[in-house]
Amino acid sequence: DVKVTQSSRYLVKRTGEKVFLECVQDMDHENMFWYRQDPGLGLRLIYFSYDVKMKEKGDIPEGYSVSREKKERFSLILESASTNQTSMYLCASSQRRDSYSNQPQHFGDGTRLSIL
Amino acid sequence: AQKVTQAQTEISVVEKEDVTLDCVYETRDTTYYLFWYKQPPSGELVFLIRRNSFDEQNEISGRYSWNFQKSTSSFNFTITASQVVDSAVYFCALSEALDSSYKLIFGSGTRLLVRP
Repeated sequence: DVKVTQSSRYLVKRTGEKVFLECVQDMDHENMFWYRQDPGLGLRLIYFSYDVKMKEKGDIPEGYSVSREKKERFSLILESASTNQTSMYLCASSQRRDSYSNQPQHFGDGTRLSIL
Repeated sequence: AQKVTQAQTEISVVEKEDVTLDCVYETRDTTYYLFWYKQPPSGELVFLIRRNSFDEQNEISGRYSWNFQKSTSSFNFTITASQVVDSAVYFCALSEALDSSYKLIFGSGTRLLVRP
């Protein structure tokens, strides 16, 4: 089974702090993603990466950055946390698209982040 | 523009009832993929099914079945003889073949409550 592990289930930080959310997958997947989930909005893509040291902006990248130094690890960074970044953050990974289809994404348990 | 609409915010049924979760999508791509995910109270998103746009056959997996109709741009999910363990938030998602980000576009989710 695919295992995507997020470092924290719950996290409380203060406004202005630099926050790191870590994600590790054990299936040698090429693609990794960070989403945030808010009530009534579903999941929205923040950043994704399709290879080591590669990153691409998603739909809502403002206020975030990412790092992918190793294939299995994808970090989300809140440079200066603000209260509107209080949310549930979900990491996902998938195999690279093959000739036939986009592969399903496999998700971690999520990190519920509160910014005070 | 791509969009996924899950009009039912919340559904409540009594155990053993059948329930259908609706999903309507919009895309200009001719090749695309549709997914359903389940999010139990524990938080992780569990992949249920992937369907590509060229395969309109309905699928059944145990008590779960999916009805894909391109003519109405719908990909509905039916649970037969619902059980309390089916209580969760269910997300429908779309991925387009021409989108190099491989991102999933999620609906806002339907919360299903199955009462004993």
